[in-house]
This record gives sequence, structure tokens and C-alpha cells, in this order.
Amino acid sequence: DGGITQSPKYLFRKEGQNVTLSCEQNLNHDAMYWYRQDPGQGLRLIYYSQIVNDFQKGDIAEGYSVSREKKESFPLTVTSAQKNPTAFYLCASSIDNDEQYFGPGTRLTVT
Amino acid sequence: EDQVTQSPEALRLQEGESSSLNCSYTVSGLRGLFWYRQDPGKGPEFLFTLYSAGEEKEKERLKATLTKKESFLHITAPKPEDSATYLCAGGGNDYKLSFGAGTTVTVRA
Repeated sequence: DGGITQSPKYLFRKEGQNVTLSCEQNLNHDAMYWYRQDPGQGLRLIYYSQIVNDFQKGDIAEGYSVSREKKESFPLTVTSAQKNPTAFYLCASSIDNDEQYFGPGTRLTVT
Repeated sequence: EDQVTQSPEALRLQEGESSSLNCSYTVSGLRGLFWYRQDPGKGPEFLFTLYSAGEEKEKERLKATLTKKESFLHITAPKPEDSATYLCAGGGNDYKLSFGAGTTVTVRA
């Protein structure tokens, strides 16, 4: 089955630690995206990549980093510089920058 | 700056009671208006894309419509399984999506 996988589903970290969230897709989509979702707010774009080895900052990139070494993979690192990292993180992909298809999400809790 | 606003924030319906959700948008160079369904703790599921004013799309009990300033998601004779948060997003000429905060629909049997 084609789709997007994110792992792990739940992640717990201590404040001050960096953490990497995984996102893999086998849809052969060129574009991939990372969003953050907080209660009562719309999805906010962190980073996006339209092609391998290239990515752009979204609206809330501070404290996050990404890489796009393979078409299928777009990992997100939440660094210790991110002031409020606890959130639900969603990865998505799209073909031709049209509708985006989302993974199941990773809920990160930092204490 | 692109902006998408959804109303109401929450909607409680009796099974069979039809209603509509509103999505107002200000998006530069709108290339598509997207609707998603999201269940608690899961990723959004794609429903529809609308490209131009006057366009309508249907899927089971859901019908989405588009004007130059708004989109509506009509739920006809809803069932409890239609309970979810419905998100709309505008795609602009920068290839990014701007999401509304969503409308949470609860359908009681």
C-alpha cells in the first residue's frame, strides 16, 4: 500500500534534548511538508521541500531543522532552541504541489 | 498575508439534521481550496479540491461549494460516523497551504 509513515506515534523527551521525527513516503511525490498542530489553531507550516536536496523555511521554522537527502524521506529535528516543542507534528506530501496527503502524526511531549 | 477562517468552531447535530460549515478565505492567487477531515489523534484525510468559483464536489453525505470569498461544506442527513474536525485550506501562488482552525462536528444518534 502506498502512503506516508511517521514514527514514532508518541515521543517523550526532556527539555534541552534534540529529537528527530521520521517521515517516509512511497507515493513517489516530489514535495514534502512538515506542520505543527496545536489545540484550537490551524496547521502551521514548519518546513517544506519541493525537490531532493532543497528545502525552504515555512512560517515557524525557528528551532527546527530538516534534511532531504532522498525523495522518500524528510526527517524533522526539533532542537533545544524551540521554545514550545510540545505539539502534534504532521508530515505531508504532494504531487505537482496540489492536494497534500498526510501521515498519521507524531505527538511530541517535552518536559 | 493569506488568511483562512472557519466557522463555527464547533457544531453539534442530531443524526439526520443537515447543516453547513463555512470557510472564508483571503488567498493571493488561489489555485485551490482544499477540504480535509481529521479524526482525534490522526492525520487529516483529504476530501475535496475546488479550483474555481461555482464548482461543487460531492462525496457521500458531504458536498463542498466555492465562491470567490467563501467555501461551504454541506453535510446532508449526517450520521454519528461523520463526527470529526473538518479543516479547509487555501493554496496560493507560493505552493503553500494556509489552514483554518477547523470546525469540530459532533453528530448524536
